[in-house]
Amino acid sequence: EIVLTQSPGTLSLSPGERATLFCRASQSVSSSYLAWYQQKPGQAPRLLIYGASNRATGIADRFSGSGSGTDFTLTITRLEAEDFAVYYCQQYGSSPQTFGQGTRVEIK
Amino acid sequence: EVQLLESGGGLVQPGGSLRLSCAASGFTFNSYAMSWVRQAPGKGLEWVSTISASGALTYYADSVKGRFTISRDSPKSTLYLRMNSLRAEDTALYYCAKLHPTYHYDSSGYYGAFDVWGQGTLVPVSS
Repeated sequence: EIVLTQSPGTLSLSPGERATLFCRASQSVSSSYLAWYQQKPGQAPRLLIYGASNRATGIADRFSGSGSGTDFTLTITRLEAEDFAVYYCQQYGSSPQTFGQGTRVEIK
Repeated sequence: EVQLLESGGGLVQPGGSLRLSCAASGFTFNSYAMSWVRQAPGKGLEWVSTISASGALTYYADSVKGRFTISRDSPKSTLYLRMNSLRAEDTALYYCAKLHPTYHYDSSGYYGAFDVWGQGTLVPVSS
C-alpha cells in the first residue's frame, strides 16, 4: 500500500499570500495518478486537480498541481477567503487507492 | 445538474447490519464506475469500495472485505452498500462518489479521481 504523507500539517497564511502544499508518496505513483481535493467544514470533498497537474472542471486557475514519482505539490497562488480549508492528496495508481492525512490552511 | 444523494445511515449496534443507498442524477449512471469513501469523525478519507460501470466487477478495502457488499441498480440509477458485522471502527460519514472519466483499471481494481461526491450519510456504530 502506498502511504501518502502531507506537509505541513497546518499552514497559517493571510489572504493574498501564496500557499504551497506537499504530498510525498512512500513509493512511486504510476503515471502521475495523483489528485488533490479541498474540503470545507460540513461539506464533501471537492476535486481540484487530477493527473497531478490537470485542473478539474470549474476550478480557478490560482490552483495548480505539479510533481511526479514520489513528490507532488499543490500551489494556490493568491489565497482568497474561500480557500481556507483542508486539502487532501490521493493516489490512484495502484491498489488500494489511498489518501494523505490532510493539510489545514488557516487564516493567520 | 450532476448530483449524488445518499441515504440509509443511522445508529447501529456492533454486529448489526445496514444498507446505504446513493441516488444519482444528471449523468449517464451506467457509464461510470462508482465508489464509496468514508471519513471517521475528525479524520481523513478512506476508500471503501468500487464497482465497475456494468456492475460485474467489485473491489473492497481489506478493512471491509467479507463484510461489505457494493452493488448497483442501473434502471434506478442507484448505488448501494450493504454493511454486515459492523464494528465501532466502521463509524464514519459514508460518501458515494463518481469516478472521473479518466479512470483506469487493472486486474486488482478500478482507480480514478472522484469528481462528484454526495453529501454523505452518517453511520455511528455503538451499543
